[in-house]
Amino acid sequence: GAGVSQSPSNKVTEKGKDVELRCDPISGHTALYWYRQSLGQGLEFLIYFQGNSAPDKSGLPSDRFSAERTGGSVSTLTIQRTQQEDSAVYLCASSFGGVGPGETQYFGPGTRLLVL
Amino acid sequence: AQSVTQLGSHVSVSEGALVLLRCNYSSSVPPYLFWYVQYPNQGLQLLLKYTTGATLVKGINGFEAEFKKSETSFHLTKPSAHMSDAAEYFCAVSEFSWGRRALTFGSGTRLQVQP
Repeated sequence: GAGVSQSPSNKVTEKGKDVELRCDPISGHTALYWYRQSLGQGLEFLIYFQGNSAPDKSGLPSDRFSAERTGGSVSTLTIQRTQQEDSAVYLCASSFGGVGPGETQYFGPGTRLLVL
Repeated sequence: AQSVTQLGSHVSVSEGALVLLRCNYSSSVPPYLFWYVQYPNQGLQLLLKYTTGATLVKGINGFEAEFKKSETSFHLTKPSAHMSDAAEYFCAVSEFSWGRRALTFGSGTRLQVQP
């Protein structure tokens, strides 16, 4: 079966522009996560969606970052007015949901974002 | 608050030698512990995890890890390294909190396997 997919795989943008990153979770997974992987900060949690519940946005680094999940499936991470420090690999993961914090998260290949 | 420390950002072993990647965690409640592997330009793949029960956990590709509560450790081992094991390895912790399921990752250990 298909795994988690992300698009685009690479994105180059200019400082100040907005970008949208897309994540398609594994079919049937109700939980979806976004993480950021950067040289200086390692792997950081950004946001977590579980079904129709309010998302856990506690990891978003600033109000320039937002995410939505439509229809309980596809998610879009939006970064407004990009800055050079936003350059990183953005990873999406999904899990079955409802089992608890020990359940496995399945990761996509990531979107590599470069802000010039 | 939970945290993960991986000792050694780079580890180099010879092919056929023992692999030992160290992970120590800090958690105020019983933790759930994970090891993920990341190959170049790929996402993370689960190697193994500890939730409850047996403290020695076996994973894919011949890897295993032992949860030692007294030492707050979850070190990853493999008896004999293979060239294909060269990758970056991340230890992660998830607390038993239904409101939050995000993983907290260590800084990673890059494993090199010399022929």
